[in-house]
Amino acid sequence: DIRMTQSPSSLSASVGDRVTITCRASHDIMTYLNWYQQKPGKAPNLLIFATSNLQSGVPSRFSGSGSGTDFTLTITSLQPEDFATYYCQQSYSPPWTFGPGTKVEIK
Amino acid sequence: EVQLVESGGGLVQPGGSLRLSCAASGLTVSSSYMTWVRQAPGKGLEWVSVIYSSGVTYYAGSVKGRFTISRDFSKNTLYLQVNSLRVEDTAVYYCARVVTLGYATPFDYWGQGTLVTVSS
Repeated sequence: DIRMTQSPSSLSASVGDRVTITCRASHDIMTYLNWYQQKPGKAPNLLIFATSNLQSGVPSRFSGSGSGTDFTLTITSLQPEDFATYYCQQSYSPPWTFGPGTKVEIK
Repeated sequence: EVQLVESGGGLVQPGGSLRLSCAASGLTVSSSYMTWVRQAPGKGLEWVSVIYSSGVTYYAGSVKGRFTISRDFSKNTLYLQVNSLRVEDTAVYYCARVVTLGYATPFDYWGQGTLVTVSS
């Protein structure tokens, strides 16, 4: 199975900050990498698919990059509604797997 | 508008069984890839199973042989039969639609989840 890791596991940031979250796959997954945002008590929400494609309705301050085993999610100018937990997920081959999550908290 | 509504969760003893349901509207379950994802209390997301429109299924290693994904075309509903439940299966179970965007297969619509608690 492909194992996903994320760093950091949590971070504190202020409104307006630039935030970068890293995701690493244990095997080459090309660009089969998706990002989700989850707020407490809610279902996850798709942000980015296939590494760098913004899901419809997602603000342009979110962006993704990478390929192979190393990927990043960047949030430029963090907004109050962005404080949440972010998960990467590989869809290269089943069993699909998620990263452990990165919690973005208010500084 | 797409809606996915899960039901069937509850309290069950170790070794017990449940059938989780995911009633869909605004999409056709039989022509979609559909998946189950779970989240233990205070923990991260864990992918559980997928059923392709062709009927091909895959499972996470932690549930293989105990869980079965299926669908009912007439009811436009996805199911997850969960057997031989363990304490570590306690989680909120979400169903989601897997959208096929070229080669990408992200999960774009999610239900609100149903809680399964395994405890004696």
